[in-house]
Amino acid sequence: DAKTTQPNSMESNEEEPVHLPCNHSTISGTDYIHWYRQLPSQGPEYVIHGLTSNVNNRMASLAIAEDRKSSTLILHRATLRDAAVYYCILSWAGNMLTFGGGTRLMVKP
Amino acid sequence: DSGVTQTPKHLITATGQRVTLRCSPRSGDLSVYWYQQSLDQGLQFLIQYYNGEERAKGNILERFSAQQFPDLHSELNLSSLELGDSALYFCASSVGTSGRTDTQYFGPGTRLTVL
Repeated sequence: DAKTTQPNSMESNEEEPVHLPCNHSTISGTDYIHWYRQLPSQGPEYVIHGLTSNVNNRMASLAIAEDRKSSTLILHRATLRDAAVYYCILSWAGNMLTFGGGTRLMVKP
Repeated sequence: DSGVTQTPKHLITATGQRVTLRCSPRSGDLSVYWYQQSLDQGLQFLIQYYNGEERAKGNILERFSAQQFPDLHSELNLSSLELGDSALYFCASSVGTSGRTDTQYFGPGTRLTVL
């Protein structure tokens, strides 16, 4: 399995940008990089995904390194509602999502 | 609201019993996935169905089974329940079967407590 490595936790101040890193040094050429997040007491929620180019959507931006061995999820202005566990996932093995430990993001007012 | 519904929200039962968890996918989604989330194991993939057929199997115990019906709703059956089966069970759905590009939409989960 292609694995991802994320910090266990990060802290941010409200209204400041947050950069959540993910290392995936064994990524293959066809693996997409997906980010999901899980708010307290809720199911996981899709955030963004990409293959090679940087991606933007209304929730976040995804910056992918040129060698694709790492990526960064960028929340442009963190809000209290963004406090969640963020999962970086490589979708390669068929159809299931293989969740790791994720990064617990804490947002301080 | 992801559009995926799960019932019941909470379930409390005793060891040795059997329960059924139900999931209705988003309109138009043909794939249904089941995941288990426990405190010590994290989120683990159990099984996937696509348009009524089993497509992929993960760490699903033999005591557990699932099916997807012609109207595309799915049921996860858990039997001979043990204390360790206490967990959150999530259902997700997606349009197709591509793990590489499809987005999975998760339901709110069913919290199972086995006493």
